[in-house]
Amino acid sequence: QLQLQESGPGLAKPSETLSLTCTVSGDSFSRTGFYWGWIRQPPGKGLEWIGTVHYTGSNYFNPSLKSRLTISIDKSKNQFSLKLTSVTASDTAVYYCARLQLWFRQIDFWGQGTLVRVSS
Amino acid sequence: QSALTQPASVSGSPGQSIAISCTGTSSDVGGYDYVSWYQQYPGKAPKVMIYDVTNRPSGVSNRFSGSKSGNTASLTISGLQAEDEADYYCSSYTSISTLVFGGGTKVTVL
Repeated sequence: QLQLQESGPGLAKPSETLSLTCTVSGDSFSRTGFYWGWIRQPPGKGLEWIGTVHYTGSNYFNPSLKSRLTISIDKSKNQFSLKLTSVTASDTAVYYCARLQLWFRQIDFWGQGTLVRVSS
Repeated sequence: QSALTQPASVSGSPGQSIAISCTGTSSDVGGYDYVSWYQQYPGKAPKVMIYDVTNRPSGVSNRFSGSKSGNTASLTISGLQAEDEADYYCSSYTSISTLVFGGGTKVTVL
């Protein structure tokens, strides 16, 4: 059974960089037809798609976050990572890593989510 | 990109049927059959209930069904049960190769 686990600091300072890593286990990270992505949810609010990457390196980003966003893959460790620069309080959210199918037609596996607070 | 439009809340009595709408544009919901629906309980990760507008993943109750007409997709829950009380989100692939979610709908079982 595929499992995803987010890891990283639970606190980031304003104007600094938020960094998270997702470790994938239980299945091939390079299986054709699947993508890996990040979704966030501010406290008490709805879901927001952040971005998605394919193991070949192709990436797709939310236009509203694109200028601050990097998503990278480490195939040797079955991990993918998120870096969001110049964070503000509005970036406080539960961050989920997930597996998406082709055309983002469904998100079939999710991590448990990790809360990141942006505060000085 | 703008979020898809969902009603903030929908309620129904046990055994009734309810429908949740998800309105987008011809660049997302209306342009692709890649609409999915997610159920989320408080403090938990979402779970896919419907994908490709009408398809149910293995293990999802057949009380959940999806449809689409033009730029609006809908999730119908038949035979409403107490365990269906949760938040529901729609999502759609878009013409610029992104994913957009709806604002979410809180379902209350009266």
